[in-house]
Amino acid sequence: KQEVTQIPAALSVPEGENLVLNCSFTDSAIYNLQWFRQDPGKGLTSLLLIQSSQREQTSGRLNASLDKSSGRSTLYIAASQPGDSATYLCAVTRLPGANNLFFGTGTRLTVIP
Amino acid sequence: GAGVSQSPSNKVTEKGKDVELRCDPISGHTALYWYRQSLGQGLEFLIYFQGNSAPDKSGLPSDRFSAERTGGSVSTLTIQRTQQEDSAVYLCASSLRTGPTYGYTFGSGTRLTVV
Repeated sequence: KQEVTQIPAALSVPEGENLVLNCSFTDSAIYNLQWFRQDPGKGLTSLLLIQSSQREQTSGRLNASLDKSSGRSTLYIAASQPGDSATYLCAVTRLPGANNLFFGTGTRLTVIP
Repeated sequence: GAGVSQSPSNKVTEKGKDVELRCDPISGHTALYWYRQSLGQGLEFLIYFQGNSAPDKSGLPSDRFSAERTGGSVSTLTIQRTQQEDSAVYLCASSLRTGPTYGYTFGSGTRLTVV
């Protein structure tokens, strides 16, 4: 069974700092990995999607990497801002025949002004 | 529409009542998922629809929960005889199709409170 773990569970950083969020998964047979952010009481907003054949994806200040063989992904946030404060979730999809996303438990990020 | 739309955004109901939650996916998306997120918990898979195939109901927690998807578009999640432990945010997501290049778009969720 696929298990997805995110470390740390919570992180506080001062504004302007660069930071890395970690995601690990136990089964490397995945279609893709997606990073989401969730604001309190809200739904999920997709940030980046990395296909299993890719190594990284970038969007603005965000960079996500994927090492499928070791079952790891990182989300790098450059020059953090208070507006980045949210819970960040990673999720993997399995290979054909699967029908759901496997979510990590999330990292709650607080960026202190 | 441009995104996944869920209604209502908030629902307070009395224990024992039935509730219906609605999800309107992105037009043309063939895959539709329901998840729920209890306070402080991760996302729990409930049910998955893919095109005209029989849905995967393996995540439904009890027979009080059911869902349908009409015409391959709008989906309704029904909870009968609600219990306090049903209180959670119910999230719907859709995807154009399943595959490595397709991500999932989530709605804003329905916050259900059973009193």
